[in-house]
Amino acid sequence: GNSVTQMEGPVTLSEEAFLTINCTYTATGYPSLFWYVQYPGEGLQLLLKATKADDKGSNKGFEATYRKETTSFHLEKGSVQVSDSAVYFCALISNYGGATNKLIFGTGTLLAVQP
Amino acid sequence: KAGVTQTPRYLIKTRGQQVTLSCSPISGHRSVSWYQQTPGQGLQFLFEYFSETQRNKGNFPGRFSGRQFSNSRSEMNVSTLELGDSALYLCASRSGTGYNEQFFGPGTRLTVL
Repeated sequence: GNSVTQMEGPVTLSEEAFLTINCTYTATGYPSLFWYVQYPGEGLQLLLKATKADDKGSNKGFEATYRKETTSFHLEKGSVQVSDSAVYFCALISNYGGATNKLIFGTGTLLAVQP
Repeated sequence: KAGVTQTPRYLIKTRGQQVTLSCSPISGHRSVSWYQQTPGQGLQFLFEYFSETQRNKGNFPGRFSGRQFSNSRSEMNVSTLELGDSALYLCASRSGTGYNEQFFGPGTRLTVL
């Protein structure tokens, strides 16, 4: 079945450090890939997305590239801020074999940025 | 444009009771999906409704049900509540055509005592 695996947290960084959160997926066909962010006490916000191989999604300084050969979609940011502290979820939608918009999520990675 | 709204935001119930949660999608969106978020199981898909029809269902018992109205608002119902139903229930809306990103509401925090 389809699944998403992301690195365990928490990830603790100092402000202005480089961030990488690893995400790999298993899916039939060509899924669309997403990163969502959840701030404390809130719902999920879409951070970025990529719908085909080699696409790069980017938003608010975050980037992720859809790598079909390694089935990965790692999240990166060059310089994190305290305000980036949140839980980050990697997710996919696979429409292979029929229409579905069911998001499949990884377990989430807590990022804590210290001043 | 107003975002996805969910009511109530917090709810406390006791075992055996039933509960109804409400979700109003973004204006013009025709699809509503529901997800359950727990520390142990993470984020799990419950069901999706499109134009008042259930299109997809996750692996949850029949105690979990939902419906969608002609104005696209959706409700989910959980009957005979169990302690394990304590969770954050998230609703997401999308416009309903092709590949569309899903926009999430703030969630309803359900506590079962």
